[in-house]
Amino acid sequence: DGGITQSPKYLFRKEGQNVTLSCEQNLNHDAMYWYRQDPGQGLRLIYYSQIVNDFQKGDIAEGYSVSREKKESFPLTVTSAQKNPTAFYLCASSRRLRASYNEQFFGPGTRLTVL
Amino acid sequence: DAKTTQPTSMDCAEGRAANLPCNHSTISGNEYVYWYRQIHSQGPQYIIHGLKNNETNEMASLIITEDRKSSTLILPHATLRDTAVYYCIVRVGDSGYALNFGKGTSLLVTP
Repeated sequence: DGGITQSPKYLFRKEGQNVTLSCEQNLNHDAMYWYRQDPGQGLRLIYYSQIVNDFQKGDIAEGYSVSREKKESFPLTVTSAQKNPTAFYLCASSRRLRASYNEQFFGPGTRLTVL
Repeated sequence: DAKTTQPTSMDCAEGRAANLPCNHSTISGNEYVYWYRQIHSQGPQYIIHGLKNNETNEMASLIITEDRKSSTLILPHATLRDTAVYYCIVRVGDSGYALNFGKGTSLLVTP
């Protein structure tokens, strides 16, 4: 089955600790994205990548970091510099960044709670 | 990207058609209309998209007005599993890098 996997589904961390969220896709998509969602709110873009070894900041990149060493993987690190990290994190991918249309496929999400 | 306006919430009886409106009065000629939905605590799911013509797939129909300033997503026979938040998004197809998810419409399908 093709799709996007995110792990873990629930994650708890102590304040001040860095944590890395996993995102893997086997859709052979070039572009990958990380979004953050707070309760009752829409999605906000953290980072995106259109190709291996390249990534760009989204609207709320402060306190986050990413890497794209492999086409299928786009891990997100939530650092201790992120002031309010408790949220629902969603990873997505699309065939390529720029296309006549841009259907994005989403993973199931990781709910991060910082205690 | 053009801004969209959707009602905050709607109800629909199971088995009836759910018609979800979206206003995008500032849409430009090369902007597509996308619909996604998000069931509670899951990732968003693509439903349908269109540019000018009405579109239909196995999930829904998309009706775009002739002036393209508004659209309606139609779920022809709503089921309880269609209860979700529905997002209407407008963006230029060949530029930009992400979908601008607003707050969407929370659809409740009732028995």
